[in-house]
Amino acid sequence: DAGITQSPRHKVTETGTPVTLRCHQTENHRYMYWYRQDPGHGLRLIHYSYGVKDTDKGEVSDGYSVSRSKTEDFLLTLESATSSQTSVYFCAISEFSFSNQPQHFGDGTRLSIL
Amino acid sequence: AQTVTQSQPEMSVQEAETVTLSCTYDTSENNYYLFWYKQPPSRQMILVIRQEAYKQQNATENRFSVNFQKAAKSFSLKISDSQLGDTAMYFCAFIPPNFGNEKLTFGTGTRLTIIP
Repeated sequence: DAGITQSPRHKVTETGTPVTLRCHQTENHRYMYWYRQDPGHGLRLIHYSYGVKDTDKGEVSDGYSVSRSKTEDFLLTLESATSSQTSVYFCAISEFSFSNQPQHFGDGTRLSIL
Repeated sequence: AQTVTQSQPEMSVQEAETVTLSCTYDTSENNYYLFWYKQPPSRQMILVIRQEAYKQQNATENRFSVNFQKAAKSFSLKISDSQLGDTAMYFCAFIPPNFGNEKLTFGTGTRLTIIP
């Protein structure tokens, strides 16, 4: 299994508080991704990174920011959490961006915003 | 925009039987990549099988095979000799040509239950 660790695995917090989720990889892969999974929507891309300090927006980036200061870590931040951001968040990595090089996923973080 | 449709929210089948999960997609492109991912109760997303649109031969991985009908834009997954460990959510996914994984688009999933 690809070495991907997401932390925390579960978090409950209140509306308006900042939240940071961490994705840590031991594979030295260049590409890292953050998705959210909601019923009726499958997985949707929030942000991705194609190198240290290089990031770009995905389909549902509003309300989220990311940072990647080291190859192994990709942080997802909710500056002021809202109830609509209650979801399961997945990190993924890939060595290359090519379509035929699949991503490997972490185990997910369940985030509840009350 | 590309869309991926899985019209079966839930399915169940007896152990050892064969089951087929359906997936259709909409694209004007000629070459692209299609995937089936499995998500067991542990939540981890696992790649089951992938198909390159320019290859006419259907992909096969052990008990898993696809029926790729390019003209119909259909990409169904067949699971033969189903096992209890096949119980999971199954997601169909698509990547258009000339793009990378940042354009991976998922369907809404089919929850498959294997009955002992």
